[in-house]
Amino acid sequence: AQKITQTQPGMFVQEKEAVTLDCTYDTSDPSYGLFWYKQPSSGEMIFLIYQGSYDQQNATEGRYSLNFQKARKSANLVISASQLGDSAMYFCAMRGRMDSSYKLIFGSGTRLLVRP
Amino acid sequence: NAGVMQNPRHLVRRRGQEARLRCSPMKGHSHVYWYRQLPEEGLKFMVYLQKENIIDESGMPKERFSAEFPKEGPSILRIQQVVRGDSAAYFCASSPQPQEKGYTFGSGTRLTVV
Repeated sequence: AQKITQTQPGMFVQEKEAVTLDCTYDTSDPSYGLFWYKQPSSGEMIFLIYQGSYDQQNATEGRYSLNFQKARKSANLVISASQLGDSAMYFCAMRGRMDSSYKLIFGSGTRLLVRP
Repeated sequence: NAGVMQNPRHLVRRRGQEARLRCSPMKGHSHVYWYRQLPEEGLKFMVYLQKENIIDESGMPKERFSAEFPKEGPSILRIQQVVRGDSAAYFCASSPQPQEKGYTFGSGTRLTVV
């Protein structure tokens, strides 16, 4: 069975500083994808970044980067230069390639609050 | 280029009534996913549909819930005889094909059962 664990229910960060949101996963699938989504207070789900299990380099998208450590089964999200608009819930998710329906398994989320 | 459209955004139903949630996928997308988010939790997969076919309904409750994606029109998630525990946000996502890198979510429908 696949599982995603986010151990930080809530995090604070000072504006303009970097923050790391933790995510660990468990899967028996040899090939899988890892995702991070942002959910602001308005409720929509915003895709941030994707990492394939066979990608050689860590994924980056603007101020977002994914610290992928395959041996440790971790896929932490790093947000650099935090902005007030980064305050939101953040969800880590994974999808196994053996699952032909490509459904996502989500963690329980981390609520990030950026302080001015 | 409209995204995934869900309506209504908010839906209030009394216990025992039916709830119908609609999802119009992005243009050209023939694959639709439904997820449910209970308060303070992550999203949980419910069902995956292609046009006129249910492909994976492993996350759907066995009773009262059904989903369809007809040849014409939006995908519908139907909940019969709603109970308070059905109160949640229901998200739809779509893709042109099963996507390596995920899919686009709609803004969700918030169902409140009173």
